[in-house]
Amino acid sequence: AQKITQTQPGMFVQEKEAVTLDCTYDTSDQSYGLFWYKQPSSGEMIFLIYQGSYDEQNATEGRYSLNFQKARKSANLVISASQLGDSAMYFCAMREGVNNNDMRFGAGTRLTVKP
Amino acid sequence: DSGVTQTPKHLITATGQRVTLRCSPRSGDLSVYWYQQSLDQGLQFLIQYYNGEERAKGNILERFSAQQFPDLHSELNLSSLELGDSALYFCASSVGVENTEAFFGQGTRLTVV
Repeated sequence: AQKITQTQPGMFVQEKEAVTLDCTYDTSDQSYGLFWYKQPSSGEMIFLIYQGSYDEQNATEGRYSLNFQKARKSANLVISASQLGDSAMYFCAMREGVNNNDMRFGAGTRLTVKP
Repeated sequence: DSGVTQTPKHLITATGQRVTLRCSPRSGDLSVYWYQQSLDQGLQFLIQYYNGEERAKGNILERFSAQQFPDLHSELNLSSLELGDSALYFCASSVGVENTEAFFGQGTRLTVV
């Protein structure tokens, strides 16, 4: 079964507007971490934001925020004031367990920012 | 720059051959992860090492193997290469086994012809 589900293969957003990229996850562990990465066309994977399962507040990093809804098992990424440079693939990922090991990734969402 | 170094950046080789991909983690990071990214399979976790020991294994083929050396650098060995092994291979590192982010290298693009 898929551990991480990103249901939006592609998204478009107008420059300067906000956009939400969806991510749902599946785990039976109480302790886990959720991550978002950005992969521009150049190929590198860039860490954006992290949310721990015990964190009560939603994580924020600059224009990125994570809308964490634990009961619904969702960890949506919100990008505010979109910029042309935000056009990229975005991956949601999860690490499970206290002594967690591998990080599993979703299929990704391709975001295109329109001028 | 993430601090994770992967070499080589590009590799072209023939079917049936064997290659070694190298990864130097960020200074102080004990965990190293290997991922394969292909168009049809997405980003697949292969294997993780922590302080020289294998920690977790994902969808790694038997033709593939890895190790982490005492200086914490890691190598991924791919043998009897097939066309379908063409992919971008990422190495990532993190401090330890707690819930922290992993930082990725630039990747090695392997093309098997």
